[in-house]
Parts: sequence; structure tokens; C-alpha cells
Amino acid sequence: GEDVEQSLFLSVREGDSSVINCTYTDSSSTYLYWYKQEPGAGLQLLTYIFSNMDMKQDQRLTVLLNKKDKHLSLRIADTQTGDSAIYFCAESPARRGFNKFYFGSGTKLNVKP
Amino acid sequence: GAVVSQHPSRVICKSGTSVKIECRSLDFQATTMFWYRQFPKQSLMLMATSNEGSKATYEQGVEKDKFLINHASLTLSTLTVTSAHPEDSSFYICSARDTGGWGDTQYFGPGTRLTVL
Repeated sequence: GEDVEQSLFLSVREGDSSVINCTYTDSSSTYLYWYKQEPGAGLQLLTYIFSNMDMKQDQRLTVLLNKKDKHLSLRIADTQTGDSAIYFCAESPARRGFNKFYFGSGTKLNVKP
Repeated sequence: GAVVSQHPSRVICKSGTSVKIECRSLDFQATTMFWYRQFPKQSLMLMATSNEGSKATYEQGVEKDKFLINHASLTLSTLTVTSAHPEDSSFYICSARDTGGWGDTQYFGPGTRLTVL
């Protein structure tokens, strides 16, 4: 089945790096996503990676995928107060036709000035 | 990046009335759109998959007669909450699947906050 898990909270100081972790269970090929949700707003796509990749970097964001452990992480370099939000990990597996998304519970990132 | 809009962003209605929420993909065509519901401090729950030109596919436990979905064009899907009750109060988010370009991903709308009095 599909089960996506994340830790609930992360607190960092401005300027430090943040690492948000996620684990998933589906063993088929899958897309893995990171979304950001600010209070009262919808989800903003930050980045995504296909399961045949190990890493993807986009400006301050680095996604690392450990396929063996089914572990996904999002690293935010030089974290700013504007990065405070809830970050959702999601997977969209091939055996569901890449048509269904399964979300983690979200990690609330608090950036202290 | 791709843009998905929702209208209205916020709606307050009386119990027993129906509310229509629109979801539009602004710069791409979406044969498939999705409707999610988010309860406070919780993750998103997929309600239904909306396919252009055909009937929506509802997730288990979601009443199709209560949550009417229409996907009349490649850029518009609507969700109508019929005979709304206070327990229907929630944040409703749509997404649209973009299979163009080199990727296949979903872009989310900004959400609609429904409050039923």
C-alpha cells in the first residue's frame, strides 16, 4: 500500500540549513514531490524527482532520494523566515498510473530570526 | 510554472444551500483534475478524480450525490457541495494534471475555504 510519513515539526535558526525527511512504502516506480503550504493558502510545488534519480538540486533546494531505504529528504540552504510553512511530501506511484497522490502529514518548519 | 486558479477563495453559506467551486488551469490543458479536502492541521484527502468529458471517480466514503463534479472543458472543473451542512466546512483544494512538456505533475489551486453556518 501507500504510506507516506513525515516528522511533524522542525525548528531552525535563520541562515542555517533545514532538512525535512520523508519515508514512503510503495516499491513501484514513483514520482516524489515536495509542496509548501503557507497559512490559509494552497499548495505550492517546490520540486519533484522520479524514483530513478538520486538527487536533484534547484537553487537553495536539494532533494536526496535513498531508494533502498525509501527515504526522501528536502534540504533548504540558508533558511529564511519566509521559508516558515508546512512542507508536504507526496508520492504518485506508477501502479496507480501516476494519477493518485499520497501525502504525508506535513512538517511544520519554524524559522527563528 | 503552471497556474491553477480557484473561485471563490472563501465562501460562507447557510446550512441547506449549495455551493459551487470552480477550478481552472490557466496556461495548460488538463484532462484530469483532482479535488481534495483538508481538515485543520491535517494532510490532504483525495475526494475524487475529475476526467474531462466523463464521470468523476470518487474515493471510498465520498458521497457522489453530495459532492457533484463536472469537468466540462479541458481547463475547468467544478465541485458543487449540495445541501451543505456545518460538517462540510473545510478547505477544498483542486489540482490539475499537466502531462505536457517533459514532466507529469500536478499543480494545485490556492484553495477555497468553505464555512457552513
